Amino acid sequence: KQEVTQIPAALSVPEGENLVLNCSFTDSAIYNLQWFRQDPGKGLTSLLLIQSSQREQTSGRLNASLDKSSGRSTLYIAASQPGDSATYLCAVSTDRGSTLGRLYFGRGTQLTVWP
Amino acid sequence: EAGVTQFPSHSVIEKGQTVTLRCDPISGHDNLYWYRRVMGKEIKFLLHFVKESKQDESGMPNNRFLAERTGGTYSTLKVQPAELEDSGVYFCASSQDSGGFYNEQFFGPGTRLTVL
Repeated sequence: KQEVTQIPAALSVPEGENLVLNCSFTDSAIYNLQWFRQDPGKGLTSLLLIQSSQREQTSGRLNASLDKSSGRSTLYIAASQPGDSATYLCAVSTDRGSTLGRLYFGRGTQLTVWP
Repeated sequence: EAGVTQFPSHSVIEKGQTVTLRCDPISGHDNLYWYRRVMGKEIKFLLHFVKESKQDESGMPNNRFLAERTGGTYSTLKVQPAELEDSGVYFCASSQDSGGFYNEQFFGPGTRLTVL
């Protein structure tokens, strides 16, 4: 059974810092990995998707890497801003039979960036 | 282009009552997923539709939950009768189906269900 762990659970930093959020998963047979952002009381916003054959994806100040064999992904946020404050969720989809496509989520990292 | 929409945004019901949640996926998305987050836990998968067919319903907690997707468009998730442990946020997501490849999932804002 796939289990996804995110470290740290919470992070509070001053504006301008570069950040690394970590995600690990137990079953390396993944199809893809998605990073989401969730603002309080809101839905999930997809940030980046990495296919299992890829090593990284970039969007603006965000860079996500994937090491499938070791079951790890990191989300790098450059020059953090107060508007980056949110909960960041990592999710992997399986590459196994009828469960192909379903996402397994971590509990998230709650990020606070203060001015 | 409209995103995934869900209705209602909040629902408060008493134990034993019935509640129906609705999800409208992004137009043209064949894949529709239901997920749930209960207090203090991670978001968990409930089921997956491909068009009107249930591809994977292994995450449904018990037979009090019934999901339908008539005509392969919107979907409903009915809880009957509701129990206290059903409280949580129910998310719907959709994705395109590109020749068997499962793509990025787009999520709706969720329905917050409170069972008293």
